[in-house]
Amino acid sequence: QKEVEQNSGPLSVPEGAIASLNCTYSDRGSQSFFWYRQYSGKSPELIMFIYSNGDKEDGRFTAQLNKASQYVSLLIRDSQPSDSATYLCAVHTGRRALTFGSGTRLQVQP
Amino acid sequence: DVKVTQSSRYLVKRTGEKVFLECVQDMDHENMFWYRQDPGLGLRLIYFSYDVKMKEKGDIPEGYSVSREKKERFSLILESASTNQTSMYLCASMGLENSGGAQYFGPGTRLLVL
Repeated sequence: QKEVEQNSGPLSVPEGAIASLNCTYSDRGSQSFFWYRQYSGKSPELIMFIYSNGDKEDGRFTAQLNKASQYVSLLIRDSQPSDSATYLCAVHTGRRALTFGSGTRLQVQP
Repeated sequence: DVKVTQSSRYLVKRTGEKVFLECVQDMDHENMFWYRQDPGLGLRLIYFSYDVKMKEKGDIPEGYSVSREKKERFSLILESASTNQTSMYLCASMGLENSGGAQYFGPGTRLLVL
């Protein structure tokens, strides 16, 4: 089992819809959770992070964490074509390095 | 804003050459990382450093070495480049005080080994 799992996609949503991206992790001791966006040919860019169970909102983005079920999700409201990218979930387990999922490719259709 | 810069965006080298990739961060972060990213394989950690002159192997250190002589600079060295080291190389920096472990990436170096 991979430490951090994501569906590779592509996840296709129409413009204006809510995109829901999911991530599960195996280490129950994981402490903090991150979402990165990566455009094709570019480096990952931090969108947001979450430490506590529940929801955290930042503009059109909402991160949701459920430690009991070991999943973290990212909701993108009012999706735009410019949101089309690969979204990487990363988990801080207490090791110095983050553990990354392989990413979910999101396509927002105009 | 955290700024992480990498010495080259694109690099073409020949098999057997020694290759140096440099990374500089401006946020006084203790931790720096080198990853490579390949289609279908995701981000793979090569080496990281948690202090000057300190380093630890990541998941795929074979064929690579690193140097951290100054806090802001972390270099990745390919001792004898091979074609299977053709990849996107990403440097990242991490501070712990305010970001809780978030890593910030440089723009990447796309290396082609012929």
